[in-house]
Amino acid sequence: GDSVTQMEGPVTLSEEAFLTINCTYTATGYPSLFWYVQYPGEGLQLLLKATKADDKGSNKGFEATYRKETTSFHLEKGSVQVSDSAVYFCALSFNQAGTALIFGKGTTLSVSS
Amino acid sequence: NAGVTQTPKFQVLKTGQSMTLQCAQDMNHNSMYWYRQDPGMGLRLIYYSASEGTTDKGEVPNGYNVSRLNKREFSLRLESAAPSQTSVYFCASRPPSPMNTEAFFGQGTRLTVV
Repeated sequence: GDSVTQMEGPVTLSEEAFLTINCTYTATGYPSLFWYVQYPGEGLQLLLKATKADDKGSNKGFEATYRKETTSFHLEKGSVQVSDSAVYFCALSFNQAGTALIFGKGTTLSVSS
Repeated sequence: NAGVTQTPKFQVLKTGQSMTLQCAQDMNHNSMYWYRQDPGMGLRLIYYSASEGTTDKGEVPNGYNVSRLNKREFSLRLESAAPSQTSVYFCASRPPSPMNTEAFFGQGTRLTVV
């Protein structure tokens, strides 16, 4: 079945370091891909998305490119801040009525000053 | 603009007790979902409703029931709570295809079963 695999955390970085969180997917077809962020004690918020191959999603300095050939959607940020500390989820979904998002297990990022 | 609203935010139950988690959205979305979040497991789909009047099982439906009361509301019921149902529960909604936008999430219900 369809699935999402993320790198396991926690990821611990110093402020201003470069961030990469790997995400690969398995799907029959061409899904849309998402990154969600969850700050402590809160719900999930969409961080960025891409709906077709080679699309780049970006928001708040984060970027991810939809790579069909490697079935990947890696999240990157050039310089992390303490306020980026959160749990990051990669997800996929198909464009059919009622289709649910399928999530990876999440990666915890901790940034220290 | 409330978005997706879940009640309650916190709940402690004794084993065997029942309760209903409420969810309402004000975005006129067709599809609604219930997920549970457990450490190391990510989010797993419990039930979903593609449209008013329809519900379907997700990955982990055992021990739960749902009701799509109307287009706005989608409730999750635990008939006889078990410690294994201790979790954080999230409700979400999505607009209809073919917009294929993201899902919008509530703030979660943190449930402890003792």
